[in-house]
Amino acid sequence: DTAVSQTPKYLVTQMGNDKSIKCEQNLGHDTMYWYKQDSKKFLKIMFSYNNKELIINETVPNRFSPKSPDKAHLNLHINSLELGDSAVYFCASSQETQGQKLFFGSGTQLSVL
Amino acid sequence: RKEVEQDPGPFNVPEGATVAFNCTYSNSASQSFFWYRQDCRKEPKLLMSVYSSGNEDGRFTAQLNRASQYISLLIRDSKLSDSATYLCVVNGRSGAGSYQLTFGKGTKLSVIP
Repeated sequence: DTAVSQTPKYLVTQMGNDKSIKCEQNLGHDTMYWYKQDSKKFLKIMFSYNNKELIINETVPNRFSPKSPDKAHLNLHINSLELGDSAVYFCASSQETQGQKLFFGSGTQLSVL
Repeated sequence: RKEVEQDPGPFNVPEGATVAFNCTYSNSASQSFFWYRQDCRKEPKLLMSVYSSGNEDGRFTAQLNRASQYISLLIRDSKLSDSATYLCVVNGRSGAGSYQLTFGKGTKLSVIP
């Protein structure tokens, strides 16, 4: 049973396209996150979200938007994809709102051509 | 100064060796500290929390020095399966006032037969 699952695992697309990555957690956690890991392996938070508030990292372009239909899901929509968006995107969840211990999904390798 | 800075690595050590990783953080208001492990092409996973008094989990020992803003991880009797990237992670208030985990860039460890 996968605790945090995200799809697709690989996503190859052309510049300018719009794409989505889905994430689901079955841990009953209150808070979910999206992280980006670039080619230099630096892992940076993009969003954190619980049923009360969305926290956005100010460096994230507004082409990226999280969508949460319910507590167990946090999808990531990306509009007008750019070459620099190529990276591995990880979904994560935590029980505490303070993000003490994260459980990560297996990642989505996005390649923009 | 980067928020979380780690030894550049990579560390190549023989089986059975003892290896130590260091990490410094810039936010003196940081409240909690962790080591995560990330295998190649996999998601990060929590290895252990780091407590002020220092803590041990089998062959792994973590230390925290709040005055120096310094965290360490010691691995004794290295196994081939310890080969991975070790991420130093610090939890503290962001500029927006929310708590978030900040990841170091990681130190790669290769244990050689």
